[in-house]
Amino acid sequence: DTGVSQNPRHKITKRGQNVTFRCDPISEHNRLYWYRQTLGQGPEFLTYFQNEAQLEKSRLLSDRFSAERPKGSFSTLEIQRTEQGDSAMYLCASSRGGTVTDTQYFGPGTRLTVL
Amino acid sequence: QKEVEQDPGPLSVPEGAIVSLNCTYSNSAFQYFMWYRQYSRKGPELLMYTYSSGNKEDGRFTAQVDKSSKYISLFIRDSQPSDSATYLCAMIFNTNAGKSTFGDGTTLTVKP
Repeated sequence: DTGVSQNPRHKITKRGQNVTFRCDPISEHNRLYWYRQTLGQGPEFLTYFQNEAQLEKSRLLSDRFSAERPKGSFSTLEIQRTEQGDSAMYLCASSRGGTVTDTQYFGPGTRLTVL
Repeated sequence: QKEVEQDPGPLSVPEGAIVSLNCTYSNSAFQYFMWYRQYSRKGPELLMYTYSSGNKEDGRFTAQVDKSSKYISLFIRDSQPSDSATYLCAMIFNTNAGKSTFGDGTTLTVKP
């Protein structure tokens, strides 16, 4: 257990529905990252926060995706109008944020299945 | 073409074998190189990170970077069944605040 928690662990939804995932990072970690991982592939960067500020978003993050970290602690990732191609593992990671090489601690992920 | 290519495997070795895992990359701007281990249904965990060309050792693990060839390797000595997992290489530019670009992973099975 790295100290990063994600909920729910599994989510099954029907195409077109909205889903929201939550990530609780290690306390006092300033940086929080979201990645997406599909079967047989490595994680792909989606977005990251420095405290409450969202500093970068990947081109992979379409307008249907939105992420927030309102108080610089937990973060939510929402997917609107889900599509079958959104089926993946959504990983959250946190780091102290002092240097570019600060260790990123990953949560166990939320596995999304879109039917 | 992906920025980071990793030998796909899968790899199956007997216990005690030396394992070599490899990645190549195309963008010379990558400055930091990491190896992660990912067990089934878990998130990746950092094993090692290196910056400069050369070798870095940590117990049974040795990470090797050759920036001139854009090639990195992870060697595992005296492999154990508990080493059975997917190994991911990852790379960071110097200025992108830790945004990591990952390879697709190599799945290793160490048989007792």
